[in-house]
Amino acid sequence: SQKIEQNSEALNIQEGKTATLTCNYTNYSPAYLQWYRQDPGRGPVFLLLIRENEKEKRKERLKVTFDTTLKQSLFHITASQPADSATYLCALDGAAGNKLTFGGGTRVLVKP
Amino acid sequence: GAGVSQTPSNKVTEKGKYVELRCDPISGHTALYWYRQSLGQGPEFLIYFQGTGAADDSGLPNDRFFAVRPEGSVSTLKIQRTERGDSAVYLCASKSQNSGANVLTFGAGSRLTVL
Repeated sequence: SQKIEQNSEALNIQEGKTATLTCNYTNYSPAYLQWYRQDPGRGPVFLLLIRENEKEKRKERLKVTFDTTLKQSLFHITASQPADSATYLCALDGAAGNKLTFGGGTRVLVKP
Repeated sequence: GAGVSQTPSNKVTEKGKYVELRCDPISGHTALYWYRQSLGQGPEFLIYFQGTGAADDSGLPNDRFFAVRPEGSVSTLKIQRTERGDSAVYLCASKSQNSGANVLTFGAGSRLTVL
């Protein structure tokens, strides 16, 4: 069965630095890979998606890469701010008609 | 509505009791999902509706769990004979039909505590 791994250890980072999160998966070839942000007591909020034929996607201070050979996605937050502190979830997306499968999430704490 | 609404936000019940959790999706969204999230874990898929029918219920853990969506909008997740292990946050999400990717809009969740 498909397996998704995210670093379960919290990432502590200084304000202004770049946070890099990793998402590795096995036994699946997703059409898309998505990233969500989740704050305590709230549901996940969609941030970005990248298609299987795309290598990189950017949105403001966020950058996602997708390597279908390595079966890995990297999520970068540049010029991080304390407001970026949250848990970030990656999700495998088999496209329409399929469920979205989430990783365990990585908590990011940006210190001022 | 403007977003996905879930009620109750918190539910405390005793082991063995029956529980219903309600989800009101974004108006016009035909697809509706239920996930369960335990502390420190990612959301775990339970069931997905396309319209009124369950398109995929492979994530329901056992026959104590059941979900309905009789009119293709509001959905209810029903848990019979609750067990302590059912304690979690139950998340509902909906999706517009006009999207190849499954970009989901989540509600805030219903936190269930079984004593």
